[in-house]
Amino acid sequence: EPEVTQTPSHQVTQMGQEVILRCVPISNHLYFYWYRQILGQKVEFLVSFYNNEISEKSEIFDDQFSVERPDGSNFTLKIRSTKLEDSAMYFCASSRTAHYEQYFGPGTRLTVT
Amino acid sequence: EDQVTQSPEALRLQEGESSSLNCSYTVSGLRGLFWYRQDPGKGPEFLFTLYSAGEEKEKERLKATLTKKESFLHITAPKPEDSATYLCAVLPRGKGSARQLTFGSGTQLTVLP
Repeated sequence: EPEVTQTPSHQVTQMGQEVILRCVPISNHLYFYWYRQILGQKVEFLVSFYNNEISEKSEIFDDQFSVERPDGSNFTLKIRSTKLEDSAMYFCASSRTAHYEQYFGPGTRLTVT
Repeated sequence: EDQVTQSPEALRLQEGESSSLNCSYTVSGLRGLFWYRQDPGKGPEFLFTLYSAGEEKEKERLKATLTKKESFLHITAPKPEDSATYLCAVLPRGKGSARQLTFGSGTQLTVLP
């Protein structure tokens, strides 16, 4: 059964450093998303991506964040200058269409020290 | 602003003791309501999509139902392996392509043997 994969599973970085989180969405899906979940809190939407451009973004997704689909299979989230409050689980998701269920990856745990 | 409220926050059941989880929502036009299961440290795992009031979906010991204001996840004769956090999320109608899911805080279910 196809699934969303994410690497790395855990990333530790120092405040102010840049990090890139990587995702491989399900192959026939067209819509891609990033969500995050701070420990003990709700899953929060960051950004959606379709047809090589951002469709929607939340207030959390400020200028420190960017997304890219560098090739036909990968989808990345870059945080330019990490802050302590960026520590969270980051989930990539994909869906076949805009209105179908979104399938989530296993997540990357980002720890900023 | 879209809002999702889940209750109870935590539920402990004996194996075989059936119960229901509640998801109340406020959204400016519902495109779909989704139930996910989340195990500790993992990504949300898709369970059901409900699109219109009166709709029901079943999978093994789980049944999801939808009204105009809330959804229920009924668990019949649960087993210890059903222990997890169950998340409800809504997808609003609206313009644009990909849409963001708004999640509730979840119900943490523990099934005791």
